[in-house]
Amino acid sequence: EIVLTQSPGTLSLSPGEGATLSCRASQSVSSSCLAWYQQKPGQAPRLLIYDASSRATGIPDRFSGSGSGTDFTLTISGLEPEDFAVYYCQQYGTSPRTFGQGTKVEIK
Amino acid sequence: EVHLVESGGGLVKPGGSLRLSCAASGFTFKKYKMTWVRQAPGRGLEWVSSITDSGGYMSYADSVKGRSTISRDNAKGLLYLQMNSLRAEDTGVYYCSRGTTVQGSPDYSDSWGQGTLVTVSS
Repeated sequence: EIVLTQSPGTLSLSPGEGATLSCRASQSVSSSCLAWYQQKPGQAPRLLIYDASSRATGIPDRFSGSGSGTDFTLTISGLEPEDFAVYYCQQYGTSPRTFGQGTKVEIK
Repeated sequence: EVHLVESGGGLVKPGGSLRLSCAASGFTFKKYKMTWVRQAPGRGLEWVSSITDSGGYMSYADSVKGRSTISRDNAKGLLYLQMNSLRAEDTGVYYCSRGTTVQGSPDYSDSWGQGTLVTVSS
């Protein structure tokens, strides 16, 4: 199975700063089938990005995804208070679908 | 608005069984692939099982294969996960999620329910 490794484990930032989250795959992700989700405590995950770079419906344009092959990035330009959460990447191009272990974005 | 509501979780002894349900509304259920994802306490997300729109093809994580069965009732807008021979490591919140309508393609989950908690303990 494809192992996804997210870095860093925790990102401590202030509101207004930019965030760069990395997701590295153990082998190439088929057809850039990579998604990013946001999860806040006690809530279900929310889809942010699919197909590596397409924003889901209703997602603000401060969230952007990029990458291909084995290296993917989620960028948040200008953190809002509601953006402090845990972020997961997921590949869905190869079965079994797998998730990264998550990156926590916390308030500095 | 898409609405997914899970039920059926609870406390069960090791070796026991549970059937989780997910009631879908706000969209044409029979057109979408559906997926179960779980999350152990304080841990990350784990894909469990998926089913095609017609119910004709199912896939499972190795961790539940042979012990779990995913199914759906398109007439009622219901998704199920029957889990048998439960183990302590099956403990967690189980989320029902909606996939895509595209036939034969892998998919992500664009809408999620709030989850139902399964606790396996003696």
